[in-house]
Amino acid sequence: QITLKESGPTLVKPTQTLTLTCTFSGFSLSTSGVGVGWIRQPPGKALEWLALIYWDDDKRYSPSLKSRLTITKDTSKNQVVLTMTNMDPVDTATYYCALTGIAAAGTRFFDYWGQGTLVTVSS
Amino acid sequence: EIVLTQSPGTLSLSPGERATLSCRASQSVSSSYLAWYQQKPGQAPRLLIYGASSRATGIPDRFSGSGSGTDFTLTISRLEPEDFAVYYCQQYGSLWTFGQGTKVEIK
Repeated sequence: QITLKESGPTLVKPTQTLTLTCTFSGFSLSTSGVGVGWIRQPPGKALEWLALIYWDDDKRYSPSLKSRLTITKDTSKNQVVLTMTNMDPVDTATYYCALTGIAAAGTRFFDYWGQGTLVTVSS
Repeated sequence: EIVLTQSPGTLSLSPGERATLSCRASQSVSSSYLAWYQQKPGQAPRLLIYGASSRATGIPDRFSGSGSGTDFTLTISRLEPEDFAVYYCQQYGSLWTFGQGTKVEIK
């Protein structure tokens, strides 16, 4: 059974750095073709893709947020970590991690999602 | 960056009716790398369709996807009460982007 779960602070102050952890089970991030991504959703708004890391440590970032994002993985701990610097109230959102590449190697849609974690940016 | 525009923003229909949702891309989506997701309040998105027309595991056959290039459609043949939700298209041919969503509400 594949599961993903996001964890991290629920409240951060403006200018601070946000660190979120995605802890997963039921698959290995060392399997060829597999990737874990981060997507966020401000309250009442649309989904926005942020970053993704592949099994071979290849990383992809949203062009509009690339300068603020870092994604890393710890295969032994079954975790993927996202850091976002210089947080602003507009970054208030539910942050999801999601799995790609498990249906077949090379596929890039997100077929498994975590439950999401709400992060509020406020002083 | 490929921009996806969904229409309409809101679709008001009754159970049993047919729903047709549109997703238009700002440039051609390679290899029909287009997916559709359903999201209900307080829940994570759920994959419905990938590759423009392939249903994900466990998705009822009343959901169907079509299209290629820049124009894609999600059709729900007969709306069930549990289908009232927000639907997002996503392209994954060039990084990943989502549309702004279409809300299917009860009329």
